[in-house]
Amino acid sequence: GIQVEQSPPDLILQEGANSTLRCNFSDSVNNLQWFHQNPWGQLINLFYIPSGTKQNGRLSATTVATERYSLLYISSSQTTDSGVYFCAVGTDKFYFGSGTKLNVKP
Amino acid sequence: DAGVTQSPTHLIKTRGQQVTLRCSPKSGHDTVSWYQQALGQGPQFIFQYYEEEERQRGNFPDRFSGHQFPNYSSELNVNALLLGDSALYLCASSRWTGSGGYTFGSGTRLTVV
Repeated sequence: GIQVEQSPPDLILQEGANSTLRCNFSDSVNNLQWFHQNPWGQLINLFYIPSGTKQNGRLSATTVATERYSLLYISSSQTTDSGVYFCAVGTDKFYFGSGTKLNVKP
Repeated sequence: DAGVTQSPTHLIKTRGQQVTLRCSPKSGHDTVSWYQQALGQGPQFIFQYYEEEERQRGNFPDRFSGHQFPNYSSELNVNALLLGDSALYLCASSRWTGSGGYTFGSGTRLTVV
């Protein structure tokens, strides 16, 4: 299957700081999503972004499919941004990375 | 617009028992995929159903089986439960054709004792 590597595995930020999360994948894909998993376990869709750049408020994402990576940018972080961020890639099914655990401190 | 609904939310079973988890997809979606997420790990693909047939399967034993109904809802069955089956089970729905990605439910947390 497709290998998905996310970095960093853990990230601690002070409220208001910016951050970049990275997702590298081992094969060509036509689907890529970024999710935020809340403390209750639900995966909240942030972006469906198989290629290009998208922005939604303080969050933005860029996928360079030809180079097999995607970046998630979080600006002016808030404590509610804490949680685990997953990148999922695939064609007919999704492969998940191990996630980036973000802790935003007040 | 209802999202993906899973039931039950929590479940405790004894080793060796059987369990059935249920999922109703998002309106307009016709494909259901199931994932297992162990503590501290990313979700692992179990299988995918479309048109009431299993279309893809991950690396899970035959103890894991599923079903999709004509209304697109789905069940995940696990027989002969092991302690290692304790996990969060996530259901995701999508469209078989076209883009748009997956929508996940809140999951069922299964504890095997």
